[in-house]
Amino acid sequence: DAGVTQSPTHLIKTRGQQVTLRCSPKSGHDTVSWYQQALGQGPQFIFQYYEEEERQRGNFPDRFSGHQFPNYSSELNVNALLLGDSALYLCASSSATGGGADTQYFGPGTRLTVL
Amino acid sequence: QKEVEQDPGPLSVPEGAIVSLNCTYSNSAFQYFMWYRQYSRKGPELLMYTYSSGNKEDGRFTAQVDKSSKYISLFIRDSQPSDSATYLCAMRGASGSARQLTFGSGTQLTVLP
Repeated sequence: DAGVTQSPTHLIKTRGQQVTLRCSPKSGHDTVSWYQQALGQGPQFIFQYYEEEERQRGNFPDRFSGHQFPNYSSELNVNALLLGDSALYLCASSSATGGGADTQYFGPGTRLTVL
Repeated sequence: QKEVEQDPGPLSVPEGAIVSLNCTYSNSAFQYFMWYRQYSRKGPELLMYTYSSGNKEDGRFTAQVDKSSKYISLFIRDSQPSDSATYLCAMRGASGSARQLTFGSGTQLTVLP
């Protein structure tokens, strides 16, 4: 049973560029959440997708956008990259019918470096 | 002030020691409490989750939640060098807009052989 997968593993971009990160959820999961983890910090919630719609959003600017596809995979897009966007971007999947815990399982992350 | 506070450490203990990791929080709407383990440059791995107050045990790990004090703990018995990692507490509300996880900043643990 494959867990949550993310691509690419590492990415280097320059300021002002745009980036797209990809996530495939764990088998049987239909909900995808994205988090940003700066070095030495805990993950910060960006947004969550369910049924191809953004269901909840954290305190991130509109430069951060996403998409969920019919097969439940998801993309995170970041426009006009800033140096401060350098971080580990984590995807977590869960099941909307998995009971009250809605337990989230994380992928290995994509490490983005903005120069 | 952050919603979830966690002592960042670092914490260094000898092999076999009992480790206590703690978090405090301010949002009384939190009802689900999780502990994740994160090895260097990897994604967080779910260790345990607890609903509301009480204790939960899984092998060498015990999670405790005291909602009246807004305080949660993770105990690791007979700690091993392989337990060396960053431990993140996380919590969320019951439903609706409360589905997002709010994390502590993590405690870095080193178990010395």
